[in-house]
Amino acid sequence: GQNIDQPTEMTATEGAIVQINCTYQTSGFNGLFWYQQHAGEAPTFLSYNVLDGLEEKGRFSSFLSRSKGYSYLLLKELQMKDSASYLCAVMDSNYQLIWGAGTKLIIKP
Amino acid sequence: IAGITQAPTSQILAAGRRMTLRCTQDMRHNAMYWYRQDLGLGLRLIHYSNTAGTTGKGEVPDGYSVSRANTDDFPLTLASAVPSQTSVYFCASSDSTSGGANEQFFGPGTRLTVL
Repeated sequence: GQNIDQPTEMTATEGAIVQINCTYQTSGFNGLFWYQQHAGEAPTFLSYNVLDGLEEKGRFSSFLSRSKGYSYLLLKELQMKDSASYLCAVMDSNYQLIWGAGTKLIIKP
Repeated sequence: IAGITQAPTSQILAAGRRMTLRCTQDMRHNAMYWYRQDLGLGLRLIHYSNTAGTTGKGEVPDGYSVSRANTDDFPLTLASAVPSQTSVYFCASSDSTSGGANEQFFGPGTRLTVL
């Protein structure tokens, strides 16, 4: 079966760095997406990885290892507004997104 | 209209009633999707449409139907609502005409409660 695993909840301190991990097992692979979702709002796109390695975009970076079925999202210089859920999703062989349950990130002052 | 809109924002519905959730996008995206989001679970695909005139079943299609008469609109219908369909429903679209993987853009969601 297809499976995306990520931690349910994480806590970090304002100004610090946090890494959110995602492991996956899917039928086929056409890339991995990270989305941010604030409470009561729609998911919004953060990053896309299809090749191994690190993609950096401002304070956010995303890493992919296809051989390990593993990705992480790295958030630097945390701000209170980064408190949200972070969703990992893999695009399978049919170009459909398989979603993880999301990681709720709590930022403390 | 800018992006994707959904209506209604929220709805309380009696079990057994018929309900249509509306979704409209103005980005001329060819692909559209309906998801439901439940606490502790990932987004689950209900139905999708790769282009106007075609639809397909996702992971959890039972009890739902869709139509795609034109590029912009993708309504989701619950023929006879049941309490297990209580959820937050998100419509999304993407431009897949160039092939490959493209990000999906989401509407604001409809919070549906079936009593």
